[in-house]
Amino acid sequence: SSELTQDPAVSVALGQTARITCQGDSLRRSYASWYQQKPGQAPVLVIYGKNNRPSGIPDRFSGSSSGNTASLTITGAQAEDEADYYCNCRDSSGNQNWVFGGGTKLTVL
Amino acid sequence: QVQLVQSGAEVKNPGASVKVSCKASGYTFTSNYMHWVRQAPGQGLEWMGIINPSGSSTNYAQKFQGRLTMTRDTSTSTDYMELSSLRSEDTAVYYCARDVSRKYDVLTGWWFDPWGQGTLVTVSS
Repeated sequence: SSELTQDPAVSVALGQTARITCQGDSLRRSYASWYQQKPGQAPVLVIYGKNNRPSGIPDRFSGSSSGNTASLTITGAQAEDEADYYCNCRDSSGNQNWVFGGGTKLTVL
Repeated sequence: QVQLVQSGAEVKNPGASVKVSCKASGYTFTSNYMHWVRQAPGQGLEWMGIINPSGSSTNYAQKFQGRLTMTRDTSTSTDYMELSSLRSEDTAVYYCARDVSRKYDVLTGWWFDPWGQGTLVTVSS
């Protein structure tokens, strides 16, 4: 299957831990990458590879993977973390294709 | 710093074509593949296709086969995405994004970084 499934919405209290998951068979063959997108802005990479953060991304963002599920965890969520989050990985079908999850809207209460 | 700068917004009639450019700077252009991704209003991200570093090979998502053409001018470090036979459903923001990859112990990771600022294409009569 070339689909990645995400929960449409997740909410978290300020300062608490938010976990966003992404499921799909392709995740058994490649690591997911995660993108944060705020309204009117281009997506920004927040997690890639085996739990790596680009320069400038706070260390409260972390990633993990097990079987067909990848997770993005925000430990101590801040108001500025409210955004849409997308997972992505290479399709495992053998074609040089990539696939995005449907996105998760994170609300910080 | 690594940067991708895209061309400006376009308004097209149904049936027309649009060509969006993406100029790269801050890295060796011929070292990386480039992806194109689009996002319809209020919708999620949709992967469209990829072009290889030399520009000699492309791969497109099935739904765009026959309508999408990606090209590359290595002399100006610029990628182009042309979509033809436009319809209203093609109204979206189109992004270019540099491909980066790394082989880990068992799995390989690919990621898109950075992204261009996006180009709004509006298809309307």
